[in-house]
Amino acid sequence: EAGVAQSPRYKIIEKRQSVAFWCNPISGHATLYWYQQILGQGPKLLIQFQNNGVVDDSQLPKDRFSAERLKGVDSTLKIQPAKLEDSAVYLCASSLDRTWGANYGYTFGSGTRLTVV
Amino acid sequence: ILNVEQSPQSLHVQEGDSTNFTCSFPSSNFYALHWYRWETAKSPEALFVMTLNGDEKKKGQISATLNTKEGYSYLYIKGSQPEDSATYLCAPISGSARQLTFGSGTQLTVLP
Repeated sequence: EAGVAQSPRYKIIEKRQSVAFWCNPISGHATLYWYQQILGQGPKLLIQFQNNGVVDDSQLPKDRFSAERLKGVDSTLKIQPAKLEDSAVYLCASSLDRTWGANYGYTFGSGTRLTVV
Repeated sequence: ILNVEQSPQSLHVQEGDSTNFTCSFPSSNFYALHWYRWETAKSPEALFVMTLNGDEKKKGQISATLNTKEGYSYLYIKGSQPEDSATYLCAPISGSARQLTFGSGTQLTVLP
């Protein structure tokens, strides 16, 4: 079975520029998550989708971050404009379970390492 | 914000040594706890999903226990190998949080 695909793997941008990340979850996984992992910290949930609907976006900085999951399959996360503190690894994950990966956990992609200079 | 603490922050052991890490979390309203292994340049990989007090799970030489009443979980690695070098993350759902909250991880280095 193919894993969670993410692109790009690395991105360097200047502050105030915009950037977009793409994620394709495992086929059949209805739940999709975007996490932000800042160096030295644990991954922090930005947004959770169930099919193409948002379940939780309480920690998404909505003034600059946006995410969508059209057709309930792949998803994009955008930052506009980027700030220095957005430098992090952005992880996408998906799960088969409807409830917090209760049986199988989450399957993560390899992440996108963003550096804002 | 859920307070999840993992200790130690980093650990260096010799090949063949056994080791263990701790994950502490609020014991109230416990729902589940996940353990993940994250090797450099790879994806975090699910090791265990634990839900019941007293749960013990095993995968090869790695095992985990769960105490929901006192709010901690231990991860054990028996006979560490260099390929076990990774960051081990725990993520409980407890307290007021209804989502996984990740700890900052324990970075394990196994020296040959």
